Amino acid sequence: NAGVTQTPKFRILKIGQSMTLQCTQDMNHNYMYWYRQDPGMGLKLIYYSVGAGITDKGEVPNGYNVSRSTTEDFPLRLELAAPSQTSVYFCASSSKTGKDNEQFFGPGTRLTVL
Amino acid sequence: GESVGLHLPTLSVQEGDNSIINCAYSNSASDYFIWYKQESGKGPQFIIDIRSNMDKRQGQRVTVLLNKTVKHLSLQIAATQPGDSAVYFCAESYGQNFVFGPGTRLSVLP
Repeated sequence: NAGVTQTPKFRILKIGQSMTLQCTQDMNHNYMYWYRQDPGMGLKLIYYSVGAGITDKGEVPNGYNVSRSTTEDFPLRLELAAPSQTSVYFCASSSKTGKDNEQFFGPGTRLTVL
Repeated sequence: GESVGLHLPTLSVQEGDNSIINCAYSNSASDYFIWYKQESGKGPQFIIDIRSNMDKRQGQRVTVLLNKTVKHLSLQIAATQPGDSAVYFCAESYGQNFVFGPGTRLSVLP
């Protein structure tokens, strides 16, 4: 299994531009998450999904949108990029069982908005 | 809002010594706790977890202790090695929410 994959690895955007960060997992996990990590800080939850067709806001959803049309894919959309969205973005997935909520993370996308 | 925090932002230990990384959490409803290791330029990697009905769990060279009375979590690494150098995050979970602390950087000195 490839696990959780993210594209692109790096991206520079101009203020006001839009882009989609891609995330795919091949572990058949129902749960998927998007986090952002600012320098020297912990991860903050942007959006999450408990299954195809279902998404919910996390702690910092403003300026972002998500969709979950399939179990495998959970893209994150930035419509009007702002400098405050400069960050490293991590996608994660987990399989909800009665015992284990371990999240598996992708390698991250480093986004700079100038 | 609820938050998870760390007592020590940086920790330096001699190779071979034991390391203890601490974490405080604030949500008494959290029922699942995880420690992650993050190496430079990589995503977080699961180390060990513990459920709220336990107070100790051991893995290979790592032990997590949970004190629900004072809402405190710790990660103990035995015989710390250079490869343990990384940032360590604790996270608490309630429902589908995962709240991460800011992280502690562990530096292993030769």
